[in-house]
Amino acid sequence: QSVLTQPPSVSAAPGQKVTISCSGSSSNIGKNYVSWYQQLPGTAPRLLIYDNDKRPSGIPDRFSGSKSGTSATLGITGLQTGDEADYYCGTWDSGLSGGVFGGGTKLTVL
Amino acid sequence: EVQLVESGGGLVQPGGSLRLSCAASGFSLRTYWMIWVRQAPGKGLEWVANIKQDGSEKYYLDSVKGRFTVSRDNAKNSLYLQMNSLRAEDTAFYFCATNPLYSDGWAVDSWGQGTLVTVSS
Repeated sequence: QSVLTQPPSVSAAPGQKVTISCSGSSSNIGKNYVSWYQQLPGTAPRLLIYDNDKRPSGIPDRFSGSKSGTSATLGITGLQTGDEADYYCGTWDSGLSGGVFGGGTKLTVL
Repeated sequence: EVQLVESGGGLVQPGGSLRLSCAASGFSLRTYWMIWVRQAPGKGLEWVANIKQDGSEKYYLDSVKGRFTVSRDNAKNSLYLQMNSLRAEDTAFYFCATNPLYSDGWAVDSWGQGTLVTVSS
């Protein structure tokens, strides 16, 4: 049981847009910045979004992040088959004094 | 090129010990908070530990407190995870990573390729 809650799976057609939600609490998302990660099959995760809505160098602007209260959302536009991956949200939990991740969402591009 | 390479994983019996190493290249590890994250095969990500630049602050996942110790040797540009009293539920790929300097919060960047720890009799 993960501290942050994500839907197990989402799907959409190529070229479409998809959003992935991440729900937490006042001690984690409500108080700290959220980050998002993409894990392609058989590879290490990579950072997509940090500080709620910022993209590291090299991450396309098709990927966006937002946060409201104790929830956060990852948006992906112009879906490509290469976007098929597992996506995780993460943040610091001030009550636990530790990092926490969501359970992960598997994106299928139909 | 910024690179982190983990080593030291393997098969160990329950109750045994392992020491993981993470070697950094292409950058100076001393400027970063460093992070260990693990992932059981086919499962999600789980944060394990953080260590401050000078080693003065360390944070651990509750289930590893008292068993795992994170340390660093900035002169050797390396990070370590000493794992004692290992349990079957510690079986996972272990990744080292940085908390990026450009972030105002906690985030995990520059992930290594991971090293597999298997705890089994």
